[in-house]
Amino acid sequence: DADVTQTPRNRITKTGKRIMLECSQTKGHDRMYWYRQDPGLGLQLIYYSFDVKDINKGEISDGYSVSRQAQAKFSLSLESAIPNQTALYFCATSNSGTGGQETQYFGPGTRLLVL
Amino acid sequence: AQSVTQLGSHVSVSEGALVLLRCNYSSSVPPYLFWYVQYPNQGLQLLLKYTTGATLVKGINGFEAEFKKSETSFHLTKPSAHMSDAAEYFCAVSDATGGFKTIFGAGTRLFVKA
Repeated sequence: DADVTQTPRNRITKTGKRIMLECSQTKGHDRMYWYRQDPGLGLQLIYYSFDVKDINKGEISDGYSVSRQAQAKFSLSLESAIPNQTALYFCATSNSGTGGQETQYFGPGTRLLVL
Repeated sequence: AQSVTQLGSHVSVSEGALVLLRCNYSSSVPPYLFWYVQYPNQGLQLLLKYTTGATLVKGINGFEAEFKKSETSFHLTKPSAHMSDAAEYFCAVSDATGGFKTIFGAGTRLFVKA
């Protein structure tokens, strides 16, 4: 079984709809991240969480919210989806304690299309 | 502020040829540098990373990268390309002061011709 899972893998929604993307991990890591990937732009950090009670905004948090329901679960919500949120979304995890040297472990991604 | 620049959004090589993917970074403090690979329809996975110590870093699948502080570079190389190396490669930088956030480059797609 995969260490980092994302559901759904693909999603089509309409402008104005609320949607939630879910991420679960079995690696026992404290830190979890949400990124979006757009062609030619690499990965941009949306939100990150260093533990259940610690949530931080990334570079592009506007229009998104997150919830860290448990150490193993980190969900991303689009309150009112818009077409420019069409992208590939990745969840990632990492261990804590090595001060920036951590390897991140990525889920397989969720491909979102907003019509 | 940290930043990463990957030179060339697309690189094409013949099977058996040298692979060279270029990465330059900007950081005001000693950086930690990473190369990740993304195969089609998969998430990113770590190829190699530099933290401290030896500046030539060896990774998986025959890849290596050299940290050159004077050139602020961390180029990725492989002596002989294989068809299975076709993927997108991301250079990334972090450090101990940036809130432990990792900044990713825009990516370089590697094509391998038979």
